[in-house]
Amino acid sequence: DAGVTQSPTHLIKTRGQQVTLRCSPKSGHDTVSWYQQALGQGPQFIFQYYEEEERQRGNFPDRFSGHQFPNYSSELNVNALLLGDSALYLCASSLGQGRPYSPLHFGNGTRLTVT
Amino acid sequence: DAKTTQPPSMDCAEGRAANLPCNHSTISGNEYVYWYRQIHSQGPQYIIHGLKNNETNEMASLIITEDRKSSTLILPHATLRDTAVYYCIVRGRNAGGTSYGKLTFGQGTILTVHP
Repeated sequence: DAGVTQSPTHLIKTRGQQVTLRCSPKSGHDTVSWYQQALGQGPQFIFQYYEEEERQRGNFPDRFSGHQFPNYSSELNVNALLLGDSALYLCASSLGQGRPYSPLHFGNGTRLTVT
Repeated sequence: DAKTTQPPSMDCAEGRAANLPCNHSTISGNEYVYWYRQIHSQGPQYIIHGLKNNETNEMASLIITEDRKSSTLILPHATLRDTAVYYCIVRGRNAGGTSYGKLTFGQGTILTVHP
């Protein structure tokens, strides 16, 4: 039973560029959430997708956007990269409708470095 | 979501039980207590969650006080591989009843298991 998978594992981008990170949820899960974890800090919630729509959003600028596909996989896009966007980006999946307390299961993240 | 308070660090001898406390005095009636742990450079790993009854699974036990204002995560026989940051999180549900994607991570407890 595959868990949450993320790609790529590491990425180096230049300030001002755009990046796309990808996530495949755990088998059977239909809801995907994205988190940003800066070095030495706990993960911070970016947004959640369910039924291909953004359902909740944390305190992140519009440069952060996402998408969910019919197969429940998801992408996180970040435009106009800043040095401060360097972080570990985590994807988490869970069950959606009817299971509001379904635990989130996390992938091992994509380490993004902006130079 | 209710705020949680955890000690910044704890030590435990290998083979002994590790008891990690968490205070969540402002928890509301529909909020669950979740525990995650994160080993360096990996994504957070779900451990256990509960509402008001004690819970046990293959990884750990969760003891929630009767007034629900605090809880303790118990690792019955700690091993060196249990060295990690442990996060106690209180989680509610959104109005639509879908999974509440936002987990608010604090600083957690750094558990160090010694040989």
